[in-house]
Amino acid sequence: AQSVAQPEDQVNVAEGNPLTVKCTYSVSGNPYLFWYVQYPNRGLQFLLKYITGDNLVKGSYGFEAEFNKSQTSFHLKKPSALVSDSALYFCAVRDRNGGSQGNLIFGKGTKLSVKP
Amino acid sequence: DTGVSQNPRHKITKRGQNVTFRCDPISEHNRLYWYRQTLGQGPEFLTYFQNEAQLEKSRLLSDRFSAERPKGSFSTLEIQRTEQGDSAMYLCASSSSGQGLYNEQFFGPGTRLTVL
Repeated sequence: AQSVAQPEDQVNVAEGNPLTVKCTYSVSGNPYLFWYVQYPNRGLQFLLKYITGDNLVKGSYGFEAEFNKSQTSFHLKKPSALVSDSALYFCAVRDRNGGSQGNLIFGKGTKLSVKP
Repeated sequence: DTGVSQNPRHKITKRGQNVTFRCDPISEHNRLYWYRQTLGQGPEFLTYFQNEAQLEKSRLLSDRFSAERPKGSFSTLEIQRTEQGDSAMYLCASSSSGQGLYNEQFFGPGTRLTVL
């Protein structure tokens, strides 16, 4: 079965420090991976995706993610965290089961807290 | 705002009542998805439309749930004989078909259902 794991329920970072939010996946075949962010009382917002090509993907708001096939990981990173980055972050993989029409399988989410 | 909209934003109902939610996708998007999100979990796929055709349904979608997209524009999700276990955030997402099934999905703010 395809799945996504976010091993940390919460990540705490000081403002200005680099941040990493971890994601590992399990799929058959090539993975199509996504990161979304959810702010309170708002819908999920797309940050970035990996389909193919360069393992380092750059996205919105200064975020980037590194695809590592050998470690089956797709960690989200940012060189310098902002207090406004505090939110809930979801990693997702596109369902590739037979007949799937592109729906996403999400991890449980990681709460990022950036302190001033 | 040309994003995905959902109505109502909140719905409180008594067990056994029927409820209906509406989703208006981004106008040029022909793909529409419904997800359900419970507290502490990532969104779980419910069903998918391409234009007016419902092409995929999750096993989560019991026979009390029905979804329509009559003219390939807005969609409705109805839950009949609601149960307390139906309490969740119901998310709608849409995407275009320009890059096949790898396009990012754009999410609405969700409808939070509380069943008393």
